[in-house]
Amino acid sequence: GQLVQSGAEVKKPGTTVKVSCKVSGVPLSAYYIHWVQQARGRGLQWMGLVDPEDGEAVYAENFQDRVTITADLSTDTVDMELSSLRSEDTAIYYCAIMAGNDYDFWGQGTLVTVSS
Amino acid sequence: EVVLTQSPGTLSLSPGERASLSCRASQPISSSYVAWYQQTPGQSPRLLIYAGSTRATGIPDRFTGSGSATDFTLTISSLEPEDFAVYYCHQYGDSPRNSFGQGTKVEL
Repeated sequence: GQLVQSGAEVKKPGTTVKVSCKVSGVPLSAYYIHWVQQARGRGLQWMGLVDPEDGEAVYAENFQDRVTITADLSTDTVDMELSSLRSEDTAIYYCAIMAGNDYDFWGQGTLVTVSS
Repeated sequence: EVVLTQSPGTLSLSPGERASLSCRASQPISSSYVAWYQQTPGQSPRLLIYAGSTRATGIPDRFTGSGSATDFTLTISSLEPEDFAVYYCHQYGDSPRNSFGQGTKVEL
C-alpha cells in the first residue's frame, strides 16, 4: 500500500484546512484510515479515523469539535478538515493505515502552518 | 479514553548498551492491542512491534516487546547506531479509539 498526501499549507487563524490522502495498492474499503497530528518537537496525537466502506468516522476527544474525516471510494482519497485553526495547530499531519498487524503504512506527512 | 504514559522521556545510552522503555496505560488493555513505533528526524513513524510482542517484517530480533494489563516494555538488547531515535507506544484496544504515548527519545 502507498499513501500520498497533499502539499504544505499556510493558513490564517480561525480558518479551515483540508489535507488529502490518496491511497493506492490496496482497496480503500479494506482498512480504516487514521489521521495523526505531530506538532513541532512534540509527539504523535491520534486525531481520528474513518471506515471508508461506510463513511463512519470516530474522533479523539481533543479534536472532536473541529475535525471532519471523509472518504471517497471513487477517487481512493481520504480528506481531513480541521477548522477554527490556531497557532497550536501548526504541525505535520499524517494519514496512516494501522491495521493492528504487519499491514502498516503512513503518508509522507503534510506541514500545516497557522500564522497571521 | 486510554492515556499512555511513557518513561523515561529521554534515555542517554551508548552503542552496545541495553535500552528499556516503559509504557503505562491508564486502564488495563490487552497486550494484543499494543504496538511500538520508531521515528527518526524527518521521517514518518515505522512500525516495530504489534500485538504486544510480534516484530513487524524486517525488524531485527534485538527489539522485543513485552508486558500486560497496564505495563508494557520495549527492550532493545544492544543498541546499534541507527537505533538512536524516538519511540512511541500505541494502543488500539480501546477500539475504535486509539492513542499514543508521548514518546521516549533514545540519545547518544
